[in-house]
Amino acid sequence: AQSVTQPDIHITVSEGASLELRCNYSYGATPYLFWYVQSPGQGLQLLLKYFSGDTLVQGIKGFEAEFKRSQSSFNLRKPSVHWSDAAEYFCAVGAAGNTGKLIFGQGTTLQVKP
Amino acid sequence: SAVISQKPSRDICQRGTSLTIQCQVDSQVTMMFWYRQQPGQSLTLIATANQGSEATYESGFVIDKFPISRPNLTFSTLTVSNMSPEDSSIYLCSVRTSLDEQFFGPGTRLTVL
Repeated sequence: AQSVTQPDIHITVSEGASLELRCNYSYGATPYLFWYVQSPGQGLQLLLKYFSGDTLVQGIKGFEAEFKRSQSSFNLRKPSVHWSDAAEYFCAVGAAGNTGKLIFGQGTTLQVKP
Repeated sequence: SAVISQKPSRDICQRGTSLTIQCQVDSQVTMMFWYRQQPGQSLTLIATANQGSEATYESGFVIDKFPISRPNLTFSTLTVSNMSPEDSSIYLCSVRTSLDEQFFGPGTRLTVL
């Protein structure tokens, strides 16, 4: 079955500390992987995506993610968290081509301590 | 990228009524979709809005409950029919670009009393 697991429902980090949000997926075909961020009352903003090639991808707002096929993981990282990064983060997996069906994880809520 | 707008941004509706949500994209896109995000939950695909033909619905979603229109390559509507409190959710329009990037609108927050 196709699925995305974000093991951490809630994470709290101090401002300036590093961050890693975990994402594991189960997908039959070659996956397209996405990370989105949703601030309270807002829609989803695309942080970064992985389709192929270099397994370390850079995104907006200083985020990066690493695709590890052997571990079926696509973890999101940021070296130094800012208070404005507090939000909910969703990992999603989909396929190439004429489909917009993304399977989302349950999300990780990030709280940033001053 | 694609800039997506939705109307209304939020609404409070009475049980048994219907609400139509509009989605407008700033460029022509082939693929448009409607997702639902129930309170405290993740996102679930409702249907693919096909231009010039009937929408393609995911398991658990039916046309009578969620009729969709797609008159052109930049616009779509989703109607939530005969609403009940269980329909209280955020409804999001999404598009996939020719580069396979997928973007989401700001969402419509629906509360059914």
